[in-house]
Amino acid sequence: GAVVSQHPSWVICKSGTSVKIECRSLDFQATTMFWYRQFPKQSLMLMATSNEGSKATYEQGVEKDKFLINHASLTLSTLTVTSAHPEDSSFYICSARASSNTGELFFGEGSRLTVL
Amino acid sequence: AQKVTQAQTEISVVEKEDVTLDCVYETRDTTYYLFWYKQPPSGELVFLIRRNSFDEQNEISGRYSWNFQKSTSSFNFTITASQVVDSAVYFCALLNQGGKLIFGQGTELSVKP
Repeated sequence: GAVVSQHPSWVICKSGTSVKIECRSLDFQATTMFWYRQFPKQSLMLMATSNEGSKATYEQGVEKDKFLINHASLTLSTLTVTSAHPEDSSFYICSARASSNTGELFFGEGSRLTVL
Repeated sequence: AQKVTQAQTEISVVEKEDVTLDCVYETRDTTYYLFWYKQPPSGELVFLIRRNSFDEQNEISGRYSWNFQKSTSSFNFTITASQVVDSAVYFCALLNQGGKLIFGQGTELSVKP
């Protein structure tokens, strides 16, 4: 199947710093990418939908100024956690969709963020 | 409202037992997709199956089988002759017409030797 790569796989940062996570579709063009957050022992919660060349659509309760999403090309979306705090520590997973009609979604490996 | 419910939070079985993971969904969409994913301790999501709402045929893939019952809005997953390597969290998910993938709470399966 298609490959979606996330980088970094894990990151530790100090409280107050910003962290950028990249999501790349390696062998297809992704018109839409999704960002999920998963706390320990919990399900994946959709944070936002990112469409290439336009502003991301955020789910209710997700602060758009804190979680900056950029989808500048058809193969790359980035999630920046600004002024990170310990409660932002989580597993962040992206998924990418090549077409709006097939239902095919491909997930990245996830990025584990720990904020000290 | 669109929702996926996995009522079993944790299941523990002994190797070689059969185990069924339940999934019930709610949607008013006429067209949708249902998925099962496996999430091992390493965290990545492993795709297991996708089924569209018009295809109610049950599917078998090796030791895995899925039972889609539209009448009861259920999409249950059975592992036959479970193995220790099957230990993981399993998620059922619904892809709605708006393109959003909604996950259930997950079922943590522990297969003991």
